[in-house]
Amino acid sequence: GENVEQHPSTLSVQEGDSAVIKCTYSDSASNYFPWYKQELGKGPQLIIDIRSNVGEKKDQRIAVTLNKTAKHFSLHITETQPEDSAVYFCAASHTGTASKLTFGTGTRLQVTL
Amino acid sequence: GAVVSQHPSWVICKSGTSVKIECRSLDFQATTMFWYRQFPKQSLMLMATSNEGSKATYEQGVEKDKFLINHASLTLSTLTVTSAHPEDSSFYICSASRGTSGAYEQYFGPGTRLTVT
Repeated sequence: GENVEQHPSTLSVQEGDSAVIKCTYSDSASNYFPWYKQELGKGPQLIIDIRSNVGEKKDQRIAVTLNKTAKHFSLHITETQPEDSAVYFCAASHTGTASKLTFGTGTRLQVTL
Repeated sequence: GAVVSQHPSWVICKSGTSVKIECRSLDFQATTMFWYRQFPKQSLMLMATSNEGSKATYEQGVEKDKFLINHASLTLSTLTVTSAHPEDSSFYICSASRGTSGAYEQYFGPGTRLTVT
């Protein structure tokens, strides 16, 4: 089955700096890669996703890049703000798994003033 | 759009009793719903996948007689933890998808914190 690895497990940046979180996946059939933000005591919130037919996608301060050959994808947050502090999860799935997501282990992002 | 609710948000029950958690998609029809369990500072662990009108598909190691899942309509799925024990205490999260393939996004509910005393 699919295996998703995520690094780093914790990340501390100063407000205004950029943050990058990286994930690798094992199943070359995976073609959908969402990123979720989870605040303490809440459910994950979909913040951006990318499909295997594109290499990069942006939404304001958030961007995701995908390298299918290397089987890795990354989340980039620019101009970080204190409200970006949360746990971020990457995930992967493909059409053959009925939308089942395989999650990474999560990255705790702390944005300091 | 794509709002998923859960009820209750937290529940405390005594060992041996059963607890039902509801998951609703408020503004879309959810062909597929998923139930996850999350322990503190850990990732989400998929427990089961349910399609409307069909029996749920459980992940390996998840007891289907203990965690009863019903997906009676396109907007409602329920998880019943039967004969709960302290080790069942956890954060239970549902998610909903419009489709049955990986082409569809998955939207999560706010979670239910279960404490079994």
